[in-house]
Amino acid sequence: EIVMTQSPLSLPVTPGEPASISCRASQSLLQSNGHNYLAWYLQKPGRSPQLLMVLGSHRASGVPDRFSGSGAGIDFTLTISRVEAEDVGVYYCMQAIQVPTFGQGTRLEIK
Amino acid sequence: QVQLVQSGAEVKKPGASVKISCKTSGYSFTNYTIHWVRQAPGQTFEGMGWINTDNGNTRYSQKLQGRVTITRDTSSTTAYMELSSLRSEDTAMYYCARNLWGSPAFLDAFDFWGQGTMVTVSS
Repeated sequence: EIVMTQSPLSLPVTPGEPASISCRASQSLLQSNGHNYLAWYLQKPGRSPQLLMVLGSHRASGVPDRFSGSGAGIDFTLTISRVEAEDVGVYYCMQAIQVPTFGQGTRLEIK
Repeated sequence: QVQLVQSGAEVKKPGASVKISCKTSGYSFTNYTIHWVRQAPGQTFEGMGWINTDNGNTRYSQKLQGRVTITRDTSSTTAYMELSSLRSEDTAMYYCARNLWGSPAFLDAFDFWGQGTMVTVSS
């Protein structure tokens, strides 16, 4: 099983300021097609998760461009350029090269 | 619009089985793999497995192999997940989710999720 490790687990942010979340996999997520199979999700309270990023750095449909993803291999980062109040919730990374495993989650809150 | 609607909450005794349905609509059912994921209270998500809705082929997590069965009914565009020999650790919210890209892709990311089905295992 691939273990996904996120940091930090809690992230208080002032509106308008940037925020970054890291995710490390216990083995490479790079496939032979050149893509890294890493996705990011946001789960708002009481809701099902919503897809933010696929293949490490591609925004899903409808996701604001203040969200960006980077990284390759085992280290990945989700960045929000300017946090807004609607961005609160728990962010999860997920590997998609085996039966999926997820990071522990990072709770983003507004200061 | 794409929708995945799951069956309602369940309360089961240890050792029993539970079967959850995931009724889909708004897209071509057999073109997209359906995945099942669960989230225990206060915990992260755990992938359980998936089904190729076209040919019925399945893949399960090693942890749940032997206890989980995923099936589908193409005529009703519904996927099912059955978990047997329930124990207290199986208490969780269970979700079905659609794979982002259609066939032949089967595991990329999940773009549409069901609303979740809470399963409580208690004596």
